[in-house]
Formats: sequence, structure tokens, C-alpha cells
Amino acid sequence: GAGVSQSPSNKVTEKGKDVELRCDPISGHTALYWYRQSLGQGLEFLIYFQGNSAPDKSGLPSDRFSAERTGGSVSTLTIQRTQQEDSAVYLCASSPDLGASPYEQYFGPGTRLTVT
Amino acid sequence: EDQVTQSPEALRLQEGESSSLNCSYTVSGLRGLFWYRQDPGKGPEFLFTLYSAGEEKEKERLKATLTKKESFLHITAPKPEDSATYLCAVPILTGGGNKLTFGTGTQLKVEL
Repeated sequence: GAGVSQSPSNKVTEKGKDVELRCDPISGHTALYWYRQSLGQGLEFLIYFQGNSAPDKSGLPSDRFSAERTGGSVSTLTIQRTQQEDSAVYLCASSPDLGASPYEQYFGPGTRLTVT
Repeated sequence: EDQVTQSPEALRLQEGESSSLNCSYTVSGLRGLFWYRQDPGKGPEFLFTLYSAGEEKEKERLKATLTKKESFLHITAPKPEDSATYLCAVPILTGGGNKLTFGTGTQLKVEL
């Protein structure tokens, strides 16, 4: 079946511009996660959605970062007034997460963001 | 603070030369441990979940084991196509979900 998809695959933007990154999770997965992967930092958690709600936004690095999820499906991560330190690969993952037991998360291919 | 440490950072093997990758963790109340494989330019690909000490899982040339302090990913008779970065992660309960804390990975290169 279809996996997690993300778009665009690559995005080059000028410092100060806003960008939107999109994630389409696996159909039926209620949980959606955003992570960031940068050189030397590894994979870092950004935000978690259960349905359309975001119970944990603790990983968002600043108030320039926001995310939403609609219809319990597609999610958009928005970065306003981009800075060079925002350059990274942004990864989305989805999971059934139906109860207390942790389920595996399935990752998309990522969006590589370069801020010039 | 929950921490995950992987070693070695990089590993070079000859084809057929078996070895093990290590993932040690300090987590209050381990609820599971995940192994992922990541190829360059791609997202992590799920390999295994281990839930309790003593558990083992196998897939082709890979076997993952779990103790109370660490996990090992054993690679038996590796092939060049096993070259990738291997990541381990522990789930941390949050608001009904499980955010993953990752190690920095082991970059494996298998040569002919």
C-alpha cells in the first residue's frame, strides 16, 4: 500500500521567506509526527498530532515554526521568516498509536530545506 | 534525561565479516526499542521493535537483541547492500502518543 509521502522533496529558499512543507500519512494512521534531521544533530522530535490535535509541540524550536493537521490526515509544517539554521531534512512519520503500547512509526522520504 | 547512545559511529566490514552494532540507553521505564535503517537521501525504514529484555527478532541477515541496558544489532555475513546508517530509538510517552528519541546512528559500509 501507499506509504507516507512528503512534498516538496527539495526546497531552496531565501533567508526571511516563509515555507510550507506537506505530509500525507498512511491512510488510517491517527498519529502523525514531525522530526528534523540535521548534520551533527541527528533526528529531533518537533511535534506530535493525534487526529487534528497537537498534544505535544515541545520540540518546535521557536515561534516561527507552526504546524496543523486537517481531516485527521494531511499535515503542513510552516516555517516563517526562515533562517540559515533552519536548513535540514524535515521528516514526517505516521503510526496507528491506538493505545499505550508504542507502535512503529513509518517515515516519509523527507523534505530537504536549504535556506540561502 | 532520556538518552540513547550508539557505537561505533562508523563501521567498515568486508563482505561476509559478521559484527554487532550497539545501542545503549538510559530511560526511566523502557517501553520498547526500535531499530531503523536509513539509506542516503531517504527516510528511516522500520526494521524491528523489541519490547522486553531477552527478546530477539530476526530478519534476513539481521538479528536484534535487547537487555535491560542496551540493544545489539547483529549482522551475519553482511553483503554490500546492507550498507546504510542504522538508527535505534526509544519511545517516550507523550499526550497519548510516543515521540522517538534517536541515537546518532552507526554508518555501516560493507565492501566486496
